[in-house]
Formats: sequence, structure tokens, C-alpha cells
Amino acid sequence: AQTVTQSQPEMSVQEAETVTLSCTYDTSESDYYLFWYKQPPSRQMILVIRQEAYKQQNATENRFSVNFQKAAKSFSLKISDSQLGDAAMYFCAPGRGAQKLVFGQGTRLTINP
Amino acid sequence: DTGVSQDPRHKITKRGQNVTFRCDPISEHNRLYWYRQTLGQGPEFLTYFQNEAQLEKSRLLSDRFSAERPKGSFSTLEIQRTEQGDSAMYLCASSLARGHGTDTQYFGPGTRLTVL
Repeated sequence: AQTVTQSQPEMSVQEAETVTLSCTYDTSESDYYLFWYKQPPSRQMILVIRQEAYKQQNATENRFSVNFQKAAKSFSLKISDSQLGDAAMYFCAPGRGAQKLVFGQGTRLTINP
Repeated sequence: DTGVSQDPRHKITKRGQNVTFRCDPISEHNRLYWYRQTLGQGPEFLTYFQNEAQLEKSRLLSDRFSAERPKGSFSTLEIQRTEQGDSAMYLCASSLARGHGTDTQYFGPGTRLTVL
């Protein structure tokens, strides 16, 4: 069974600054994917970024990038140039094949103007 | 290009009543997932379909819960004899199977259930 730990229940950052959200997971799978989703106050879950575990190169999507350490089973999300619209709950979730996503407890990110 | 839609968005019911939720996935998506999210927690998997076949069910899905996807398009989730512990947000997601690998799941806005 997979477990996911997001050790930061809340984080805050000044607008335009950089923030890193941490995530560790435990899995016995060798081939899997990792996702970060955000859930703004309107509560619709939105995909932020995905990482294939077999790829050594860290995924990047505009201001969002990951630091994937497969041996350490760590998958952190870096948000650069934080914007007010980045305020949300952020969930880390590993998944494999057609199987369910296993979500962490989430990190609530606040952006201070 | 419409996303995943869910109906109703909110449902208030009395304990013991039956409720049914509907999810319409992104068109042509062959996989459909149901999750439950309680306040302050991450979503928890309930069940998923590939086309019309229900391929996995969580132990969270008690006998009072049933899900269907009769024609491989929309899905319904029914809860019979609701209990206060069923109060939660019920999320639906869909994805397009591309063979090997994990397809990305796209989520709907959810149905918030309140059981009085």
C-alpha cells in the first residue's frame, strides 16, 4: 500500500517570492507517476504538474517545478514568483497505471500581498 | 471542451434517506473514478470504472454505497440509508487510458453532501 506524507500543514509566502512544498511517499512499486494537484477555495481539484518516476529529469511547468529524489522517495514542489492566485490547498499524490491516486493530507498555501 | 461535471453540487438530506449523485466525464474518457473528501483531508478513493466495468472498490465503500456506469459514459453513485458520517464532498474524476502508464485524472467540482 502507498502512503503519502505532507509534513507542512500550512505555508505562507510573500507575493513574488519562492516557496517549496514537501512530500514524501512510500511505495513498493517500481514504475509509477507522481502528481501535484491544487484545490483553491472553490474546491475544484486542478492538476499542477506530473512526474514519471522512470525519468531522472525533474518536471517543470512554467513557474512550477519539482525536485524528485527517487531513492529518498521525496517529491517536492517549488513555486517561483508566487502569485495571489496560487493560494490553495496543495496535494501530492502517487499513482500507477489505472489505479487510484493516494493523496496526502495537503498543505494550505497562503500568499501574502 | 467541457470538463467533468457533477450534479447536484450540494445535497442536504436527513439521516436514513437515499441519495444519488451523477458524474459526467470528459467525453471519450474511458476511465471514471469516485473519491470522498472530508473537511481538512485529502480525497480518498472509493471506486473506479473502465468503460462500464467496475474494476476496483475500496473497503470504504460499504454495502450502502453502489456505483454504476451503465453505458460507459456518465456514472451514478448512490448512498442508501444515509448516516451523518457520510457527510463529505464526493469527487468524480475521469481519464483517458493510453496503455502503459498512468493517465492523468481530471476532477469535477464535487457534490457536497450534508446529512442532518
